[in-house]
Amino acid sequence: DAEITQSPRHKITETGRQVTLACHQTWNHNNMFWYRQDLGHGLRLIHYSYGVQDTNKGEVSDGYSVSRSNTEDLPLTLESAASSQTSVYFCASSGLGGLGTDTQYFGPGTRLTVL
Amino acid sequence: ELKVEQNPLFLSMQEGKNYTIYCNYSTTSDRLYWYRQDPGKSLESLFVLLSNGAVKQEGRLMASLDTKARLSTLHITAAVHDLSATYFCAVDNWVTTDSWGKLQFGAGTQVVVTP
Repeated sequence: DAEITQSPRHKITETGRQVTLACHQTWNHNNMFWYRQDLGHGLRLIHYSYGVQDTNKGEVSDGYSVSRSNTEDLPLTLESAASSQTSVYFCASSGLGGLGTDTQYFGPGTRLTVL
Repeated sequence: ELKVEQNPLFLSMQEGKNYTIYCNYSTTSDRLYWYRQDPGKSLESLFVLLSNGAVKQEGRLMASLDTKARLSTLHITAAVHDLSATYFCAVDNWVTTDSWGKLQFGAGTQVVVTP
């Protein structure tokens, strides 16, 4: 069965370190998204990609970067981790856009703590 | 800037009774999604509403969309304990067909169903 996975599931790091969160999907979806979830804010879009070599900034992109070298993976990098980036991170993917059904399917999430 | 407001943010339900969650949004959009999240888990897609007047039903849940009023409702019929979860609405903040999928989430409604 197709799925979307994230690793690690839990991560503790120190302020100033670079951290990369992995996201891998086997849906063969073109579109991939990274969100962060914080109490009282719902989910907020960090970065998204519509295909290989395409990346775009979302609502809360400062301090984060992504790269898309293949269809299956969209790693999220925190260049220099800050305590404000302590959060739960979700990756999502979707298929057809436009008039098609484009439900986003979410991964299990990564809980990141920055000390 | 697109704003999505859900109310109530917390809903204590009695088993067997009916309730409604409201989702208001601030710009024109005809794409609205409802998700369910259990504690510590990922988001599960419930409904995709893609046009004015759309109504979808699954079991005890029914969602509708009024794009003129910029309002979606999630109606719960005869609540049962298994429906305890947090429910999110999300609006597609798309401008053109090549910018879809940028979901703006509401803050979520935490539902607790008690006997």
